Amino acid sequence: GQSLEQPSEVTAVEGAIVQINCTYQTSGFYGLSWYQQHDGGAPTFLSYNALDGLEETGRFSSFLSRSDSYGYLLLQELQMKDSASYFCAVRDPGGFKTIFGAGTRLFVKA
Amino acid sequence: DAGVIQSPRHEVTEMGQEVTLRCKPISGHNSLFWYRQTMMRGLELLIYFNNNVPIDDSGMPEDRFSAKMPNASFSTLKIQPSEPRDSAVYFCASSPSGTGSEKLFFGSGTQLSVL
Repeated sequence: GQSLEQPSEVTAVEGAIVQINCTYQTSGFYGLSWYQQHDGGAPTFLSYNALDGLEETGRFSSFLSRSDSYGYLLLQELQMKDSASYFCAVRDPGGFKTIFGAGTRLFVKA
Repeated sequence: DAGVIQSPRHEVTEMGQEVTLRCKPISGHNSLFWYRQTMMRGLELLIYFNNNVPIDDSGMPEDRFSAKMPNASFSTLKIQPSEPRDSAVYFCASSPSGTGSEKLFFGSGTQLSVL
């Protein structure tokens, strides 16, 4: 089976940097993804790591350590609009099935 | 492209009634996924298709749930009979094969309320 753990909520101030961690236990592993979901909206893709290391996309970066079964999403220069839920997700070795963590609710304060 | 299109956006029905949710994936995407989201259980994968073929339906909660994909541009998720505990947001998502297959594109979801 597969399970993912991430904090339930994080609070940060505008302009700051926040890191959302994700640990996973899987019977196989193909890659770690991150999605953002605003209240009432649909999840939208942010980033994907198949190999160890850091992937940067604008203000957002994602890191993966396969040996530690661990990854994180780093959000820099936080803006109020970044207040949302963030989900880590793993793909199974077959490459089709994507399982989501419970999500981390990020509150950005002025 | 219009993205993944789901209908209806909202559905309110009474217990025991049949509910059919519809999804049109992005043209050219080979994989289609149905997820259910609730506060208690988060985002649960119900079933996914590849090239219109159901690959894994182990997430379907019980026999009251069924899904079909008769062609590459259309899928349905049916609940018969519906129960109050089925109330949730149901998302359809699609992804391409090969490069970019890790990226799921979600529809806007169907908010289902079973009274």
